Amino acid sequence: AQSVTQPDIHITVSEGASLELRCNYSYGATPYLFWYVQSPGQGLQLLLKYFSGDTLVQGIKGFEAEFKRSQSSFNLRKPSVHWSDAAEYFCAVKMYSGGGADGLTFGKGTHLIIQP
Amino acid sequence: NAGVTQTPKFRVLKTGQSMTLLCAQDMNHEYMYWYRQDPGMGLRLIHYSVGEGTTAKGEVPDGYNVSRLKKQNFLLGLESAAPSQTSVYFCASSYSRSSGGDQETQYFGPGTRLLVL
Repeated sequence: AQSVTQPDIHITVSEGASLELRCNYSYGATPYLFWYVQSPGQGLQLLLKYFSGDTLVQGIKGFEAEFKRSQSSFNLRKPSVHWSDAAEYFCAVKMYSGGGADGLTFGKGTHLIIQP
Repeated sequence: NAGVTQTPKFRVLKTGQSMTLLCAQDMNHEYMYWYRQDPGMGLRLIHYSVGEGTTAKGEVPDGYNVSRLKKQNFLLGLESAAPSQTSVYFCASSYSRSSGGDQETQYFGPGTRLLVL
């Protein structure tokens, strides 16, 4: 069964500093990969996704992520964080099934704290 | 477009009571999903639907039933609520045949917070 690991439960970063959130997946083939963000009391917003092609993908709010097949990783990065980036971040995967309604498998999330 | 909406936003139930959570989407999406989110667990799929009148089980279906009588609505029912069903429930939808786009990206509602005493 596929699984997603986000090794860091909490991360604290100073405002203006760079950020990297880690995500590793376990699956026999390359899945579809997603990063979602959840602000307190809110739903999930899609930051970016990777299906194929260029392994560096750009998302909203200045985020990017890099797919590394050899490491089964899809780490999220941002060069300079803002206080408004404080939130819960979820990595998710969906196995390739030729399309169709398969659910996403989520990591347990990383809680990002921004220090002033 | 409102996107994905969920009703109610918050509910308190007593053990053994029943209730129905409503999810509605106005994006003409074919697929709809129900997830639950528990602290430290991420989101887990309860049930999903590939179209009107069809449903399927996800990872944690026990204790829940679903129905999709209309394309835009997906109902999640708890027949006899248990404290273990205290959670935040998220609905999501994906894929519109008419507007194209990928089948994989899911759009989420704001969630329903359920407390079972």
